Amino acid sequence: QQQVKQSPQSLIVQKGGISIINCAYENTAFDYFPWYQQFPGKGPALLIAIRPDVSEKKEGRFTISFNKSAKQFSLHIMDSQPGDSATYFCAASWNNNDMRFGAGTRLTVKP
Amino acid sequence: DAGVIQSPRHEVTEMGQEVTLRCKPISGHNSLFWYRQTMMRGLELLIYFNNNVPIDDSGMPEDRFSAKMPNASFSTLKIQPSEPRDSAVYFCASSFSLSSQDNQPQHFGDGTRLSIL
Repeated sequence: QQQVKQSPQSLIVQKGGISIINCAYENTAFDYFPWYQQFPGKGPALLIAIRPDVSEKKEGRFTISFNKSAKQFSLHIMDSQPGDSATYFCAASWNNNDMRFGAGTRLTVKP
Repeated sequence: DAGVIQSPRHEVTEMGQEVTLRCKPISGHNSLFWYRQTMMRGLELLIYFNNNVPIDDSGMPEDRFSAKMPNASFSTLKIQPSEPRDSAVYFCASSFSLSSQDNQPQHFGDGTRLSIL
């Protein structure tokens, strides 16, 4: 059963804009929330991850915002670039072998 | 650094044939995962090994699927007999974790695109 709901399914953003992808989870036992980036023909690659003891984590242009009480977390891509065009997956896990993935968001950044 | 290596990258075969997918995890990693990706179901965990031992195979769809990890540097996923509904991209991922409760990043290979005719 899907325990991580991701939206939107697809997103089109102009170059330089902010891309925002949202995820919501059900299992309160989840304690690790990674985001993966996948290009066509490639495997998912870890982009950034957060644990629930912090509300925000930033790495370069990528930021995760985490709301434990609402059971939601989001990925913000600042100054979006055409090279960011890819499919993004959120995920959540409570132990090493039970990672649940969202359905993915296809991001297109227009030049 | 060499990442997770999967072979073959593409496989096309006829229904009923045996299919074997191969994976070499990142050296030093002690956890290995097999996933299946489809448009309909997204990324699904099939089986998880820790220190070469299968820990959780509850995601394996049916008895036609089997996986082995004879040593720390090699794993196989076998489908026998294959069916058209097995067509998907199969990913292998690896990580290093101190325990089953130790969440660590999983590193994915580039997958095997399997087509069963």
